[in-house]
Amino acid sequence: GAGVSQTPSNKVTEKGKYVELRCDPISGHTALYWYRQSLGQGPEFLIYFQGTGAADDSGLPNDRFFAVRPEGSVSTLKIQRTERGDSAVYLCASSSLGGRADEQFFGPGTRLTVL
Amino acid sequence: GESVGLHLPTLSVQEGDNSIINCAYSNSASDYFIWYKQESGKGPQFIIDIRSNMDKRQGQRVTVLLNKTVKHLSLQIAATQPGDSAVYFCAYTSGNQFYFGTGTSLTVIP
Repeated sequence: GAGVSQTPSNKVTEKGKYVELRCDPISGHTALYWYRQSLGQGPEFLIYFQGTGAADDSGLPNDRFFAVRPEGSVSTLKIQRTERGDSAVYLCASSSLGGRADEQFFGPGTRLTVL
Repeated sequence: GESVGLHLPTLSVQEGDNSIINCAYSNSASDYFIWYKQESGKGPQFIIDIRSNMDKRQGQRVTVLLNKTVKHLSLQIAATQPGDSAVYFCAYTSGNQFYFGTGTSLTVIP
């Protein structure tokens, strides 16, 4: 595809449920990032993949959050036992090489609402 | 600490005027800065970047100024157009991470 895509665009779930959010990066991009954006705030870093491995997962808030990228392309962000405070827009971005000055291309995000 | 702040949460300008969006940062070790534009329902879009060894960088209708002495970054948009209405974020890198500010909402009045 032409850009980063994320599915679903909206997800409504109940407190305590498990959710999976998917990111399809730009083809050939080795680096993939996940961010969380709360209303009125800037994106907050969660995790960074270089290829299949998580190069930096220091932004994951707790062990309920987990992300995978098994084949180095599509990534899934998994949230267990969701809480109302998890409600936010989850953004995915990819870049060609992942260097600090390498432009990140963002997807439209998945809006997660936990009731 | 790791913080990036913006002076003004909202800014309204007349179409055709110049816009200036400001940003303060606290980490003196920051060496790479980026401005992003985010329209409603979309992800952030790269506008322009600047490295710490530069004071000024120009793009198409946009200029970024960096003052390392006072840890201040600004984005200037020339001849602001209705399509420029969006939220603008400054961000900087630290290691593998990008830190974003809260954002300034720019409204262009026709």
